[in-house]
Amino acid sequence: AQSVAQPEDQVNVAEGNPLTVKCTYSVSGNPYLFWYVQYPNRGLQFLLKYITGDNLVKGSYGFEAEFNKSQTSFHLKKPSALVSDSALYFCAVRDIAGRRALTFGSGTRLQVQP
Amino acid sequence: GAVVSQHPSRVICKSGTSVKIECRSLDFQATTMFWYRQFPKQSLMLMATSNEGSKATYEQGVEKDKFLINHASLTLSTLTVTSAHPEDSSFYICSAGGQGDQPQHFGDGTRLSIL
Repeated sequence: AQSVAQPEDQVNVAEGNPLTVKCTYSVSGNPYLFWYVQYPNRGLQFLLKYITGDNLVKGSYGFEAEFNKSQTSFHLKKPSALVSDSALYFCAVRDIAGRRALTFGSGTRLQVQP
Repeated sequence: GAVVSQHPSRVICKSGTSVKIECRSLDFQATTMFWYRQFPKQSLMLMATSNEGSKATYEQGVEKDKFLINHASLTLSTLTVTSAHPEDSSFYICSAGGQGDQPQHFGDGTRLSIL
């Protein structure tokens, strides 16, 4: 079975400051890892993914994420937060050898204050 | 990029009504689509995997007679909530794609409110 944990329900950060949204995962094999963002009453938008290779992955809107195999983590980061980054963020995982359906974390609400 | 269209975006109807939600892949073919349900302030829960030309695969605890899924073409899957009741009120989201190392692409969701 695979699972994802997002330990923070909400993250608050001031505009211009760096942000981190945490994610840890559990899969039986090698993982594909994803970050998605959701705005109110909308579906999920893809931000970035880790498949293999470089542990630091760069994605849309200036976001990046660092894959750490030993800590089974895939934290989302951005050097300088914008008010418009305020949204709900989901980490998701699937086993490379497993089925295509994603397993999502519980989500973290990011609030960027002006 | 890949686009998934979901319709309608919002439905309000009386208890006992059946409601159909459509999910279309606009610029790619999708042999497999996924239906999720999202409760307020909660994560997405996979309801079922929709397979083109064959029966859907339902997750444990999801009533297949309640949530009918039809995937009749490579670009369209439908979810019908039959005889809907207030407890079926939720946000339903579909997705498609996700083959290999590709991300799934999501529709904008359907807000279903049963009175």
